[in-house]
Amino acid sequence: KQEVTQIPAALSVPEGENLVLNCSFTDSAIYNLQWFRQDPGKGLTSLLLIQSSQREQTSGRLNASLDKSSGRSTLYIAASQPGDSATYLCAVRLQGAQKLVFGQGTRLTINP
Amino acid sequence: GAGVSQSPSNKVTEKGKDVELRCDPISGHTALYWYRQRLGQGLEFLIYFQGNSAPDKSGLPSDRFSAERTGESVSTLTIQRTQQEDSAVYLCASSLMVLAGPRGTQYFGPGTRLTVL
Repeated sequence: KQEVTQIPAALSVPEGENLVLNCSFTDSAIYNLQWFRQDPGKGLTSLLLIQSSQREQTSGRLNASLDKSSGRSTLYIAASQPGDSATYLCAVRLQGAQKLVFGQGTRLTINP
Repeated sequence: GAGVSQSPSNKVTEKGKDVELRCDPISGHTALYWYRQRLGQGLEFLIYFQGNSAPDKSGLPSDRFSAERTGESVSTLTIQRTQQEDSAVYLCASSLMVLAGPRGTQYFGPGTRLTVL
């Protein structure tokens, strides 16, 4: 059974810092991995999707890496801003499956 | 264009009542998913629809839960005889054909917050 773990559960940093969020998964036979952000009372917004054959994806100040063999992904946020405050979720899709398996998220707070 | 929409946004019901939640996927998206997020927990997969194929119901927690989808349009999730443990945010997502690349990205609606008293 695929399990996805996100560490830390919560993180608070001053504005302007670079930071890394971690995601690990137990079954390396994944189809892709996706990072989402979730704002209170709202749905999920897709940030980056990495296919199993890719090593990283970048969008603006966000960079996500994938090391399938070790079962790890990181989300790097550069020059953090208060607007980045949200819960960040990591989700994997196994090969041959359609559903996403989610981690419990990292609640990020950027302090002005 | 319009994203995934869900209704109602909030639903408060009494234990034992039936509830129906609605999801309108993005037009043209053939795949539709339901997930549940209980307080302090991660999202749990409930059910998946892909075109006219038989749905994947492997995530439904009990036979009180059922879902329907007509073609590639609206889906309804029904919970019968609600229990307090059913209280959660129910999220719907849709995507294009589940192939490699951005087409596989799931787009989520804002969710329905269900509270069972």
